[in-house]
Amino acid sequence: DTGVSQDPRHKITKRGQNVTFRCDPISEHNRLYWYRQTLGQGPEFLTYFQNEAQLEKSRLLSDRFSAERPKGSFSTLEIQRTEQGDSAMYLCASSTGTPHEAFFGQGTRLTVV
Amino acid sequence: AQSVTQLDSQVPVFEEAPVELRCNYSSSVSVYLFWYVQYPNQGLQLLLKYLSGSTLVKGINGFEAEFNKSQTSFHLRKPSVHISDTAEYVCAVSGGFKPIFGAGTRLCVKA
Repeated sequence: DTGVSQDPRHKITKRGQNVTFRCDPISEHNRLYWYRQTLGQGPEFLTYFQNEAQLEKSRLLSDRFSAERPKGSFSTLEIQRTEQGDSAMYLCASSTGTPHEAFFGQGTRLTVV
Repeated sequence: AQSVTQLDSQVPVFEEAPVELRCNYSSSVSVYLFWYVQYPNQGLQLLLKYLSGSTLVKGINGFEAEFNKSQTSFHLRKPSVHISDTAEYVCAVSGGFKPIFGAGTRLCVKA
């Protein structure tokens, strides 16, 4: 088991462009979470999946953000029409469920210029 | 709803001194509690966890934490820190469907 992997590790994009990130969870984990982390802050919840079903999406999440987890395996997070405020570290984590001990990937650092 | 409060954004301490990083939580259901550590340019890794049983839990690198239900706290301690302990420490609570994280505490160990 190689742990949670995220791709790319770094992404620089121009404002207004669309970006997509990928997360491959630990294979036997049925839950997958996306968080956003800015400098000096802890991870902020974005959304999570139980298998292929997206069960919760943060109310703080703009409609420009969308996530999928087809077939309950890997997940993608897409940000449309990026803004400078979207610059952050995007973290993916997975777990087996209760007690929801989350295993994190290395993150994707997004810079919008 | 659940929440986590880490009152100290930064804690400076000299090498070999003891340290305590504070974490308080709010939850209407039974909780599981976690501390994660994040080194520069690395992901979050689990330091220790409280699931049930003994309220004093031990983790990696000599850290320990005590669950106090009446004070809704889960403070992290180490009796003697090293330079290599310099990192971000993040407390998390889980009792619903997803872990909720605090803002983190930056531990700065000085020689």
